[in-house]
Amino acid sequence: DQQVKQNSPSLSVQEGRISILNCDYTNSMFDYFLWYKKYPAEGPTFLISISSIKDKNEDGRFTVFLNKSAKHLSLHIVPSQPGDSAVYFCATSGGSNYKLTFGKGTLLTVNP
Amino acid sequence: GAGVSQTPSNKVTEKGKYVELRCDPISGHTALYWYRQSLGQGPEFLIYFQGTGAADDSGLPNDRFFAVRPEGSVSTLKIQRTERGDSAVYLCASSPDDFTSGPPDTQYFGPGTRLTVL
Repeated sequence: DQQVKQNSPSLSVQEGRISILNCDYTNSMFDYFLWYKKYPAEGPTFLISISSIKDKNEDGRFTVFLNKSAKHLSLHIVPSQPGDSAVYFCATSGGSNYKLTFGKGTLLTVNP
Repeated sequence: GAGVSQTPSNKVTEKGKYVELRCDPISGHTALYWYRQSLGQGPEFLIYFQGTGAADDSGLPNDRFFAVRPEGSVSTLKIQRTERGDSAVYLCASSPDDFTSGPPDTQYFGPGTRLTVL
């Protein structure tokens, strides 16, 4: 049973527009949420995170929103750039605090 | 500084053979993790080390899998009697964390070892 779900396997966006990547989780014990970005043949790279005590965290072009009641988080990238093309993984931790649980990932393609 | 490195980058082996995968964490990081990423899936937790000891090995799929970190730095993931279902990318990550307080530190991932069992 998947505890972290990324229901869109892929997303295609035009350069300069907003990219919105979504993630749903089932376990209310999760209290820390992260987004990782992965290029082919590389390991995942940390992008941005949010604690359950917040509902928004912003870092440059990247903003993560958390809706705890809906158990939903999203990553907004604006403006999107071709270099943002990668697989984006949503990940969560809670309780043990070290074990990350990942979604299956969403392949983002930003077209020039 | 140097990131997490993993060797080999690719490993092809035959069913039934033994393999070792190596991870060099970022210097000074006390926490080390192994994850496995199968095709079309996200990384799945295997084992976590705090220093030399395996603090949580609950993600290891069965007793064919074993990992060590004898000096609290380099770690080796060992797989006995490999099966075709073991084919995946094995990722190692490290963090400075001692998990005493506050949010968890960022886990920094290596490039992974792609294991193919024929």
